[in-house]
Amino acid sequence: EIVLTQSPGTLSLSPGERATLFCRASPSVSGSYLAWYQQKPGQAPRLLIFSASFRATGIPDRFSGSGSGTDFTLTISRLEPEDFAVYYCQHYRSFGGGTKVEIK
Amino acid sequence: EVQLLESGGGLVQPGGSLRLSCVASGFTFRSYAMSWVRQAPGKGLEWVSGISGRGGSTYYADSVKGRFTISRDNSKNTLYLQMSSLRAEDTAVYYCAKDRGAAHPSDFDYWGQGALVTVSS
Repeated sequence: EIVLTQSPGTLSLSPGERATLFCRASPSVSGSYLAWYQQKPGQAPRLLIFSASFRATGIPDRFSGSGSGTDFTLTISRLEPEDFAVYYCQHYRSFGGGTKVEIK
Repeated sequence: EVQLLESGGGLVQPGGSLRLSCVASGFTFRSYAMSWVRQAPGKGLEWVSGISGRGGSTYYADSVKGRFTISRDNSKNTLYLQMSSLRAEDTAVYYCAKDRGAAHPSDFDYWGQGALVTVSS
C-alpha cells in the first residue's frame, strides 16, 4: 500500500506570495500517476495536475507540479485570492492527508 | 459539458443498505473508468471503489471490500454503488468521479457534487 504524506499541514501566506506544497510517497511511485487536486469548502475536488507535472484543462499556469520517485511538489507561483483552499496529492487509490493554504 | 449527478444518499441505520447512483453526460461514458471517492465530515479524501469502462474489472478499498458493490449500466450512462452492512464510519459525502483513462482508477478529471450518506440510529 502506498502512503502519501503531505507537508506542511497548513501554510499561511499572503496573496501574491509563492506557495510550495510537498507530497512524499512511501514506497516510491511512478510519477505517471501522481495527481494534485484543489478543494474549496462545500465543493468537490478539482484536478489541477496529473502525471506529476501536466496541468489539467483550464488550470492557470501559476500552478506547476514536479518531482519523481518519492518526492513531489506543487507550486503556486503567485497566490490569487481564489487559491486559498485545501490541496491533496493522489496516486492510484491513495490520497494524501491534504495541505490547507490559508490567508495570513 | 461533462456532468456527473449523484443521487440516493440519505440517513440509514447501522447494518442497513443504500444504493447510490451517478448519471453521467457530456462524454462517451463506456470509454472511461469511474470511481467513488468519499469524504467523512471534516476529513480528507478516501478512494472507495472503481470500475473499468466496460465494467469487466472492479476494485475496492479494504475498508469496504465485501460490503460495497460497484457496477455500471453503459446503456443508461449510470454508475452505481450498492452499500450494505453500513457502519457509522461509512458516514461521508460520496463523490462520483470520472477517470482520465479506461482501464483502472488512475486520476479523476471530473467530479459530481456529492451525495451525503449518514449512518446513525
